[in-house]
Amino acid sequence: QKEVEQDPGPLSVPEGAIVSLNCTYSNSAFQYFMWYRQYSRKGPELLMYTYSSGNKEDGRFTAQVDKSSKYISLFIRDSQPSDSATYLCAMAMDSNYQLIWGAGTKLIIKP
Amino acid sequence: DGGITQSPKYLFRKEGQNVTLSCEQNLNHDAMYWYRQDPGQGLRLIYYSQIVNDFQKGDIAEGYSVSREKKESFPLTVTSAQKNPTAFYLCASSTGVLGNQPQHFGDGTRLSIL
Repeated sequence: QKEVEQDPGPLSVPEGAIVSLNCTYSNSAFQYFMWYRQYSRKGPELLMYTYSSGNKEDGRFTAQVDKSSKYISLFIRDSQPSDSATYLCAMAMDSNYQLIWGAGTKLIIKP
Repeated sequence: DGGITQSPKYLFRKEGQNVTLSCEQNLNHDAMYWYRQDPGQGLRLIYYSQIVNDFQKGDIAEGYSVSREKKESFPLTVTSAQKNPTAFYLCASSTGVLGNQPQHFGDGTRLSIL
């Protein structure tokens, strides 16, 4: 079993829809949770960064962490065709050097 | 503009050849990383460096080598010992080496075998 599981998709939704992207994990020691967006043939860019449990909102994006269920989510409101990309989750422990990555979910927003 | 520059964008390797991928950053970050990305898999860590003249192996270091002679630069050499080098290679940097420091990425080098 992988430490971080992420559905590869593709997830295809119409423009304007609310998108929900998710990751599950097995290691309860993870404290830091990140979402990166990666466009085709580009490097990942940091979208959201959360410490421990709770919600964080930034514009159309909301990151949610449920440590009791070992489950994190990224919600995108009013989705746009420009949101079409692969979304990667990543997590880390408090004092360990390594980020552990999900495989990424490919998202397609249809105009 | 601060950022990470990777070159070349595309690279082709012949059998038995070593190739070097360049990574330069002007973010004044101490830590730098090399990842390999294959379709359907998460990023896998090849090497990382906390400071100049120091670097550590990641999960898949076999067949790769690095150097860190300057803070700004962290080149990766893919040696002939790496039998399956075809992949997308990503360089990243962060202010510190701990996993809680967000990493910033370059736009990658795609390596293929001739």
